[in-house]
Amino acid sequence: EAGVAQSPRYKIIEKRQSVAFWCNPISGHATLYWYQQILGQGPKLLIQFQNNGVVDDSQLPKDRFSAERLKGVDSTLKIQPAKLEDSAVYLCASSNPQTKLRGYEQYFGPGTRLTVT
Amino acid sequence: ELKVEQNPLFLSMQEGKNYTIYCNYSTTSDRLYWYRQDPGKSLESLFVLLSNGAVKQEGRLMASLDTKARLSTLHITAAVHDLSATYFCAVGGTSYGKLTFGQGTILTVHP
Repeated sequence: EAGVAQSPRYKIIEKRQSVAFWCNPISGHATLYWYQQILGQGPKLLIQFQNNGVVDDSQLPKDRFSAERLKGVDSTLKIQPAKLEDSAVYLCASSNPQTKLRGYEQYFGPGTRLTVT
Repeated sequence: ELKVEQNPLFLSMQEGKNYTIYCNYSTTSDRLYWYRQDPGKSLESLFVLLSNGAVKQEGRLMASLDTKARLSTLHITAAVHDLSATYFCAVGGTSYGKLTFGQGTILTVHP
């Protein structure tokens, strides 16, 4: 079974530029998450999708971050314009809502390391 | 707001020794997860704990959950160098799926 795929793996941009990250979840996983992991910290949830609907985006800085999952599979996270404090690893994860007995375990992709200069 | 605290944040161990990482959380939950992260890598799931008193073991690692105390422990037995990594606990909230992570414990095992 293929894991969660993300691209690009690394991205360097200047502040005020825009950037987009792509995620393809595990096949059949209806729930998709985007996390931000700042160096030295644990991941923080930015947004959670169930199919193509947003379940939780309470910690997404909506003035500059946006995310979509139009067909309920792939997802894109965009930052526009980027700030220095957006430098972080952006992790995508997916889970299957039918797996209550496994605690809706989340599987993480390799992440995209963003550096804003 | 759910808060998750791990301690210690840094742990330097000698090979062959035992130690425990603690994870405290602030509100009721019956879903607790332990993840491992190697430098520059993503998160690898270690344990999923879903009920009070749950205990799971894999190799030299054993995790337990006490929901009444809002405490989980990750016990390391006879540490080896390969266990060097950052370990995160994460707690499930009231809504399906959402996880709140601790700060992580950086474990270094040396000869």
